Amino acid sequence: QQQVKQSPQSLIVQKGGISIINCAYENTAFDYFPWYQQFPGKGPALLIAIRPDVSEKKEGRFTISFNKSAKQFSLHIMDSQPGDSATYFCAARHIGSARQLTFGSGTQLTVLP
Amino acid sequence: DSGVTQTPKHLITATGQRVTLRCSPRSGDLSVYWYQQSLDQGLQFLIQYYNGEERAKGNILERFSAQQFPDLHSELNLSSLELGDSALYFCASSVAGTLNTEAFFGQGTRLTVV
Repeated sequence: QQQVKQSPQSLIVQKGGISIINCAYENTAFDYFPWYQQFPGKGPALLIAIRPDVSEKKEGRFTISFNKSAKQFSLHIMDSQPGDSATYFCAARHIGSARQLTFGSGTQLTVLP
Repeated sequence: DSGVTQTPKHLITATGQRVTLRCSPRSGDLSVYWYQQSLDQGLQFLIQYYNGEERAKGNILERFSAQQFPDLHSELNLSSLELGDSALYFCASSVAGTLNTEAFFGQGTRLTVV
């Protein structure tokens, strides 16, 4: 049962363009929504995160938009650079003592020079 | 560097064998999570330990088990290995119990079952 759905599966963007990755969740028992960036051969690394009481969070070129009523959130990468080429995972953290993350299926982003 | 250390980085073993993957969490982190990453399943939560005790179970097979030791390092044991167990296994750690806990991932162990 997939509780976090992510799209698109892959994305190709020109340098300087805007990359947009979308996620939707099906379970309301989440209290925190991080995005992870993963380069080949490396572990996922926390990129940016948002709590559901906030509609937008911006850190540098990265912005999360969160729509609680629609149960959707998205990552925007402004002025995309070739160095941003990686796999991006959205995730949702479960409420409760365990706090485990449920991940989306990932988006492979390629930024062309 | 996330501060989470996983060993070994690569492991090749035959079907039917048993292996142990090791994880040392970040200093001060009490929670350890294990995830499996395969091409067709993405990142799947396996199991979590907090301060030595099992806290949550995900999609972990009965052939797999884990434990967390008093020094907080954790081991994931995989037995009766099958070809389909080939995957990247990640450990993550966090300080559980607060709203601002982040999970930091190690670099993973790539397991190849032949």
